[in-house]
Amino acid sequence: DAGITQSPRHKVTETGTPVTLRCHQTENHRYMYWYRQDPGHGLRLIHYSYGVKDTDKGEVSDGYSVSRSKTEDFLLTLESATSSQTSVYFCAISEGGQASYEQYFGPGTRLTVT
Amino acid sequence: AQSVTQLDSQVPVFEEAPVELRCNYSSSVSVYLFWYVQYPNQGLQLLLKYLSGSTLVESINGFEAEFNKSQTSFHLRKPSVHISDTAEYFCAVTANTNAGKSTFGDGTTLTVKP
Repeated sequence: DAGITQSPRHKVTETGTPVTLRCHQTENHRYMYWYRQDPGHGLRLIHYSYGVKDTDKGEVSDGYSVSRSKTEDFLLTLESATSSQTSVYFCAISEGGQASYEQYFGPGTRLTVT
Repeated sequence: AQSVTQLDSQVPVFEEAPVELRCNYSSSVSVYLFWYVQYPNQGLQLLLKYLSGSTLVESINGFEAEFNKSQTSFHLRKPSVHISDTAEYFCAVTANTNAGKSTFGDGTTLTVKP
């Protein structure tokens, strides 16, 4: 299994509070992604990174920010959590290039905003 | 832009019966195609992928998928399913020009009944 961990695995927080989710990889892969998974919506890309300090928005980036200061860590921050951000969040990594962008997923973080 | 449509949200089937999970995609550029599987309370795992070459690709646990460029489809099939195949299956498409961003379908829940 690809070495990807997510922390925390579960979190309950109140509306309006900031929340940071961490993704850590030991594979030295270039690309990292944050998705949210909601029933009936599959996985939707929030943000992704194509290198240290290189990030870009996905299709549902409003209300989220990311940072990548080291190859192995990709942080997702909800600046002021809302109930609509209650979801399961998955981090993924990819080697890219000739490896064809197949992605390896972390175990997920279940976030509940009350 | 690219998109993925999984034509069935739920597929119930009896054990040892054949199954087909349908996936259509659209893209203006060449793409890589993937099927991922998600077991309850886990992250997604790569099941199989199409990069180039033979249009029929196989997984180690008996699934196969065929890339049909003219019909822009990548349907997943298994001739005889097991109870352990019960899971959610996601089709994904990745253009080879946009940093490996994948677009996922909404998922198909396969339920294998005894």
